[in-house]
Amino acid sequence: DQQVKQNSPSLSVQEGRISILNCDYTNSMFDYFLWYKKYPAEGPTFLISISSIKDKNEDGRFTVFLNKSAKHLSLHIVPSQPGDSAVYFCAASEGTSGSRLTFGEGTQLTVNP
Amino acid sequence: NAGVMQNPRHLVRRRGQEARLRCSPMKGHSHVYWYRQLPEEGLKFMVYLQKENIIDESGMPKERFSAEFPKEGPSILRIQQVVRGDSAAYFCASSVNPGTLNYGYTFGSGTRLTVV
Repeated sequence: DQQVKQNSPSLSVQEGRISILNCDYTNSMFDYFLWYKKYPAEGPTFLISISSIKDKNEDGRFTVFLNKSAKHLSLHIVPSQPGDSAVYFCAASEGTSGSRLTFGEGTQLTVNP
Repeated sequence: NAGVMQNPRHLVRRRGQEARLRCSPMKGHSHVYWYRQLPEEGLKFMVYLQKENIIDESGMPKERFSAEFPKEGPSILRIQQVVRGDSAAYFCASSVNPGTLNYGYTFGSGTRLTVV
């Protein structure tokens, strides 16, 4: 029962262009969504989050969009940089306090110089 | 602030042995979460603990796995009689009371368990 799905195992983009990573969820009780970045042999690092009461949240080069009716969210990175190459995980939770995270399978982003 | 510290980074155990994974949360954090990442998969929630209390263990396998977070010292994830399927990366995360997600949890670098 995969409640959070990232259907693209990998994505390759050119430096300077936009990277768009997608995530779908099935659990209607999810109301908080997060994106994590993970380098090999390291733990996930928090990038950006969004509450279900919003449809967009922006932080520098990173923007997360949420479409509740479609149960879909996306992470936009612009402009992409080679240092952005990593595995990106989408995660969701019911509430923001003391809640478990449900992760997607991850998307390997490669930004080519 | 050293962040969330996990040790060992790598652990090799033979089938049937016990594995003990340790997690020291960030200073001031009293909530600890354990997640497991099997090869080619995302992280899966295992257990959520506060000092001396297990809050949510719904993700823990029913047998052989246990976790504790004593009043003093690190949180311990214990796997008894390990099998090859236990080979995975185990990540610990910590957060301030009461575990708000607004800035995400802080994860450690993980322990990579290999069962041979």
